Amino acid sequence: DAGVTQSPTHLIKTRGQHVTLRCSPISGHKSVSWYQQVLGQGPQFIFQYYEKEERGRGNFPDRFSARQFPNYSSELNVNALLLGDSALYLCASSLTGMNTEAFFGQGTRLTVV
Amino acid sequence: KQEVTQIPAALSVPEGENLVLNCSFTDSAIYNLQWFRQDPGKGLTSLLLIQSSQREQTSGRLNASLDKSSGRSTLYIAASQPGDSATYLCAATGTASKLTFGTGTRLQVTL
Repeated sequence: DAGVTQSPTHLIKTRGQHVTLRCSPISGHKSVSWYQQVLGQGPQFIFQYYEKEERGRGNFPDRFSARQFPNYSSELNVNALLLGDSALYLCASSLTGMNTEAFFGQGTRLTVV
Repeated sequence: KQEVTQIPAALSVPEGENLVLNCSFTDSAIYNLQWFRQDPGKGLTSLLLIQSSQREQTSGRLNASLDKSSGRSTLYIAASQPGDSATYLCAATGTASKLTFGTGTRLQVTL
């Protein structure tokens, strides 16, 4: 069975641009969460979606948005990119999102220049 | 607000040694605690999940314990191997299934 897949693997963008990151959860999992990990730090929670509804949002500006599709895949969008948005973006998949084990993808490395 | 701390930040041990990684959290109202492994530049691999009602979980050479009342969890690695070298992260799951992570312990196992 395929695990959590994220695309693209690496991305270089210029300040002010927009970026879309994609995530496909494990088959049968209905919850997807997004995390940002800057170098040397633990991942920080951005969003959680379950059954296409936003269930939680972390302390990130409105430039960050996400959505979940009927097939449970998800997109993370970031507008007006800043240098500080450079990070590894991780997607986590879980069965229901409530008290169930989270499985992570390999991440998307975003570099903003 | 949940805060998770991991000690030590880095650890170097010779092959074969048993070791303990520590994780503490400030809010005991957690659903579960999860331990992950992260290789450089890679995603997270789930190692063990301990539900809030459990005291410990074991998988192979790994054993994780949870003491909610004191806000502590430990990851015990037996007979360490060079392939165990990685960063180990613990995460406490709270409301909205949000995982709050520590900054990790970077482990190096030398030959």
